[in-house]
Parts: sequence; C-alpha cells; structure tokens
Amino acid sequence: DAGVIQSPRHEVTEMGQEVTLRCKPISGHNSLFWYRQTMMRGLELLIYFNNNVPIDDSGMPEDRFSAKMPNASFSTLKIQPSEPRDSAVYFCASSQDRAVLDEQFFGPGTRLTVL
Amino acid sequence: GNSVTQMEGPVTLSEEAFLTINCTYTATGYPSLFWYVQYPGEGLQLLLKATKADDKGSNKGFEATYRKETTSFHLEKGSVQVSDSAVYFCALRGGNTGKLIFGQGTTLQVKP
Repeated sequence: DAGVIQSPRHEVTEMGQEVTLRCKPISGHNSLFWYRQTMMRGLELLIYFNNNVPIDDSGMPEDRFSAKMPNASFSTLKIQPSEPRDSAVYFCASSQDRAVLDEQFFGPGTRLTVL
Repeated sequence: GNSVTQMEGPVTLSEEAFLTINCTYTATGYPSLFWYVQYPGEGLQLLLKATKADDKGSNKGFEATYRKETTSFHLEKGSVQVSDSAVYFCALRGGNTGKLIFGQGTTLQVKP
C-alpha cells in the first residue's frame, strides 16, 4: 500500500498567489482529514470529510481557505489569496471510518512557504 | 471543550535512560486516547492507543495507561534508544466523531 500521498512536498509562493495542495487517501478509507502544523500553534485540524462530505470545517481559518473532496480518492486544500502567515506544514490523513478505534494514517506533508 | 496538555520539551536523555512524557486531558464523556510519533521530515504515525479506563496501550517498548481518576495518559519507556528521537503527540478523540485533539507535542532527543 502506497499510504497517503500528498503533493507537492514543498511549495514556495509569493503573497497573493493561489496555492492548491493535493491529497490521495489510502484506498478504501472513507474519512479524510486536513491538518496544519506550525511552531506557534502546533497541530490543528482544519477540516475533515466522511464519505466525501465535509463533516467539520470549524478549524478552517477564514474564507481564503477552501477544501473539496470530489471523489473518494482525491481531495484538495486551496488558499486564495495566500499570505505569509499561512506558511506551515499541511498534513492530510485518512482513516477507514469514524469509529473510535480507527487509526488515522498521515501523509508526509506539504511544506508551504509564502514569501 | 476537549483539550490535551503535554509536558513541555525538549526532553534530552542518554541512551538506555527511562522516559516519561506527561499527558493530561480534559474531556466530557469517555474519550479514546492516543500517542502519535513524528520522526524528522515525516508525517505522524500512531504509536499506541487506549479506549477505556485502565486500558494499557503498548508498542515498541512504549506504554501508556488510561487513568480516568487523574485524567492522564503518560507515555513511558524503560530504555530509550537514539532511534526514539522524535516528536511525540498525545491526542484524544471523544464521542462519535473522527476528530482528534492533539497536544502541542514533546520533542525527545536521545544522545548516545
């Protein structure tokens, strides 16, 4: 199994540009999570989907952030326009179900730098 | 609301030393508790978990016991190795939700 796949692994962009992060969850998993990790705020859940439907987006910082999951094998997190304070490592994770025992499997992350 | 508090790091130990990383939580009901580990440049990996009071999770020599009376889930290892150097995250999941609440992470550095 290839695990959770994220692309790109690194992204450097200028303030004001649109950024799109991509995630392919593990096949057969029906829950998908987007996290942001920074030194100041630690690991924060941004949004999660179950069966392609957004369940909780209370962690999305503001309207500049949006996430979609058009099908079970693909999700995007978009930032438009990007700002320097968005610089962070963004992780995608997937799990088989929302059930209590299910482990979340994390991707390697996308390191975003906004200049 | 639910929250997790970990001891601040970094924790620096010599190889074969005993490790304890403290974790306490605040939650309604009966959450499930987890320890995740993040090695440099990688995503998080589940290390161990426990779903009810007095359960002990264990893996790779690490252990943690779900203590409801003290709302704690401290991570321990009897003899650490250099390869254990990583960031360790305590987390909880409450209710019928997939949402994990993470602590701030504790960096462990093990020196030869």
